[in-house]
Amino acid sequence: DSGVTQTPKHLITATGQRVTLRCSPRSGDLSVYWYQQSLDQGLQFLIHYYNGEERAKGNILERFSAQQFPDLHSELNLSSLELGDSALYFCASSAFSRVAGELFFGEGSRLTVL
Amino acid sequence: DAKTTQPNSMESNEEEPVHLPCNHSTISGTDYIHWYRQLPSQGPEYVIHGLTSNVNNRMASLAIAEDRKSSTLILHRATLRDAAVYYCILSHTANDYKLSFGAGTTVTVRA
Repeated sequence: DSGVTQTPKHLITATGQRVTLRCSPRSGDLSVYWYQQSLDQGLQFLIHYYNGEERAKGNILERFSAQQFPDLHSELNLSSLELGDSALYFCASSAFSRVAGELFFGEGSRLTVL
Repeated sequence: DAKTTQPNSMESNEEEPVHLPCNHSTISGTDYIHWYRQLPSQGPEYVIHGLTSNVNNRMASLAIAEDRKSSTLILHRATLRDAAVYYCILSHTANDYKLSFGAGTTVTVRA
């Protein structure tokens, strides 16, 4: 158990819909990272927040947005869903603002878009 | 970002050592070398990281070549639980707010 909690674990929805994935980092960790893993793309970095501020952005679609709240949990919002958005979405947390330290990953949220 | 090259797959026998190579010929002096692994149906898991010197922890050892253009992750005694995809990743201090995963090496452990 990494200490990172992601909900929901599984989500099935239809094209055009909007979903919110939630991540609770390990106690005391200020950094949250989001990754997308699909069969054909591997693990893709989406976005990194540190203590509520965006620190880095990857190839995150405009239909996707994220935020980190004052209690340090983070949410990834996916809208106008397409079939290609079906993937595993992982959240990771770290005590540091940079990746020099260990990242702790959650078990992921599996999104299926029908 | 500097790139890494890993073999697509490797096989090992249980209780034998596994040496996973990673080439990073364009590494810069301040790039850290990170190793993560991902077991089936799980999120990635940190294994080890280093800068210049060899590193050891309870999971593995990281041997870094003197010129730093390559490194080797060593699992001293493979178990069935070590079957996973292993990722070698570089992070540069000027852009170390993310880790970029490649395809990794799929390790199969034979009983």
